[in-house]
Order: sequence, then C-alpha cells, then structure tokens
Amino acid sequence: KAGVTQTPRYLIKTRGQQVTLSCSPISGHRSVSWYQQTPGQGLQFLFEYFSETQRNKGNFPGRFSGRQFSNSRSEMNVSTLELGDSALYLCASKRQMNTEAFFGQGTRLTVV
Amino acid sequence: GQQLNQSPQSMFIQEGEDVSMNCTSSSIFNTWLWYKQEPGEGPVLLIALYKAGELTSNGRLTAQFGITRKDSFLNISASIPSDVGIYFCAGRVMNRDDKIIFGKGTRLHILP
Repeated sequence: KAGVTQTPRYLIKTRGQQVTLSCSPISGHRSVSWYQQTPGQGLQFLFEYFSETQRNKGNFPGRFSGRQFSNSRSEMNVSTLELGDSALYLCASKRQMNTEAFFGQGTRLTVV
Repeated sequence: GQQLNQSPQSMFIQEGEDVSMNCTSSSIFNTWLWYKQEPGEGPVLLIALYKAGELTSNGRLTAQFGITRKDSFLNISASIPSDVGIYFCAGRVMNRDDKIIFGKGTRLHILP
C-alpha cells in the first residue's frame, strides 16, 4: 500500500514568487493536513481538509492557502514568498477524523 | 492555545543505554501519539495511546498515557545507532476539531 506522496521533494524559489505543493494521501484516506516544520518552531499546523472542505486552520497569514480535490489529493499554495517561508512542508493523511495521521516525506522549500 | 512541553530538547547517550523522554500539557488529551523523524524524512508513527494509564510497547519502545491525561512518556531500551533521530510527542485535543498538537521534539544522539 503506497504511503503519503508529496511532490516535489525540493524546491528553490525567489522572494515574491508563488509556489504550489502537492500531496497524495494513502488510498482510502479522506483527511489531509499540512504542517510547516522549521528548526526553531517545530511542527506548525497550517490547515486540514476533509472531503474537500477545510475543517481546521492554523495561525498562518492568508498567503497560505490550500484545497482538496474529489480524489482526496490536496495542494497547498503560498503566494508572495518571503525568506521566512523556507521550511519543510509536511502533509499527513488520515482515514477518518479521530484516526491516526501518517506523514509524507515532505517538500523542502528554500526561498532565496 | 494548547501547548505541549517536550523534554529534554536533546540527549547524548551511549549505545546500549536506556532513554526516557516525556511530554506534558496544561490541556487534556484523548490520544497521545509518538513519532520519530529521521533526516530528510517525514515523521513516522511509533506508538498511539488511547486510554489514560495505557502502557503500550513496540519492540524496544514503551510509551504510557498519563493518568491525568495531561502527560505521556516514551522509553527506549538498549539504544542502538539506528535510534538516532527526532522524537515527537503529539496530543489529540478533546473536542470536535480533532486537532493534533505536536511537541518540539527530542533530538537523540548516540555516541559509539
């Protein structure tokens, strides 16, 4: 059974650009969550989607947005990139609410 | 908001030693999760705990859900080099949101 797949694995972008990251959950999983991981802040929750609806949102600016498609795949978009957006972006999927989350390998974003 | 205090932040131990780390919170959780993250990878779920007082093992790993529902610990016995990594605790809050809150991690280093 394939795990959570995130693409791309690595990205380098310039300040001011925008970026889209993709996450394919484990087959049968309907919930996708996104996290930002930085050395100083640990894992920070961005948002969660369940059946194409955003269920939860963390404390990030509106430049961070996401969506989920009918096949449960999710994308995360960051507009007007800032240097501080450099981080590992992790996606996690769950079968249902109140079940365990399984993480992908992450996308390492570097903003220069 | 809810916060998890995970300690210690880092540990340097000799191969073969036992390891203990813990998480505490001012909030009550209905689930405690322990993840391990290796360099360049996403966190991998090690142990999930669902009931206060529950003690669960996974090989050389043992974790407990505190009686107060506000803490959890993870023990690793007879450490080996492949135990190196960052260990995260996570708690699921007791409300409809199903949010998972992460600790900042314990970085484990093993000296030969």
